[in-house]
Amino acid sequence: GDSVTQMEGPVTLSEEAFLTINCTYTATGYPSLFWYVQYPGEGLQLLLKATKADDKGSNKGFEATYRKETTSFHLEKGSVQVSDSAVYFCALSGTSGSRLTFGEGTQLTVNP
Amino acid sequence: DTAVSQTPKYLVTQMGNDKSIKCEQNLGHDTMYWYKQDSKKFLKIMFSYNNKELIINETVPNRFSPKSPDKAHLNLHINSLELGDSAVYFCASSHWDPRGELFFGEGSRLTVL
Repeated sequence: GDSVTQMEGPVTLSEEAFLTINCTYTATGYPSLFWYVQYPGEGLQLLLKATKADDKGSNKGFEATYRKETTSFHLEKGSVQVSDSAVYFCALSGTSGSRLTFGEGTQLTVNP
Repeated sequence: DTAVSQTPKYLVTQMGNDKSIKCEQNLGHDTMYWYKQDSKKFLKIMFSYNNKELIINETVPNRFSPKSPDKAHLNLHINSLELGDSAVYFCASSHWDPRGELFFGEGSRLTVL
């Protein structure tokens, strides 16, 4: 079945540092890929997505590129802020209807 | 206006009790979901309804029973609560489209004592 593997957390960075959170997936066919973010005490919200190979999703300074050859969708940001502290989830939507399979989540803490 | 709203936000109850969580969405979506998030933040789908019809039913104990009275509502009833049921339960909704976005509620934190 479909699966998503994220780098283990937690990740702690200083403000303005570069962020990478790795995500790889296993799926049949051509899934869509997503990054969701969960701020403390809130539900998940979509950060960015990519629906086909080589697509780049971007939002709020975050980027991720759909790499079919390496089955990866790594999240990057050039300069993190304290307000980026949250849990980040990589997810995929396969061909079995409208559902998401989530990775384990990565807790990011950014210190001033 | 809250797009996906869940009530209650917090439940604290004793083992063996029965409890319900309600979910409503005003986005006009035709598909709704229940996800369970454990203490390590891992998210697992439990159920999904499309136009009031059950389409995803993961290996969840039959103590959990979803009910969808209409497209805008999906409730979750849990019988005979156990300690392991303690978690945050998220409702979500979307259009019936594998490439689409899910919209999540704020979660309902269930604590079983």
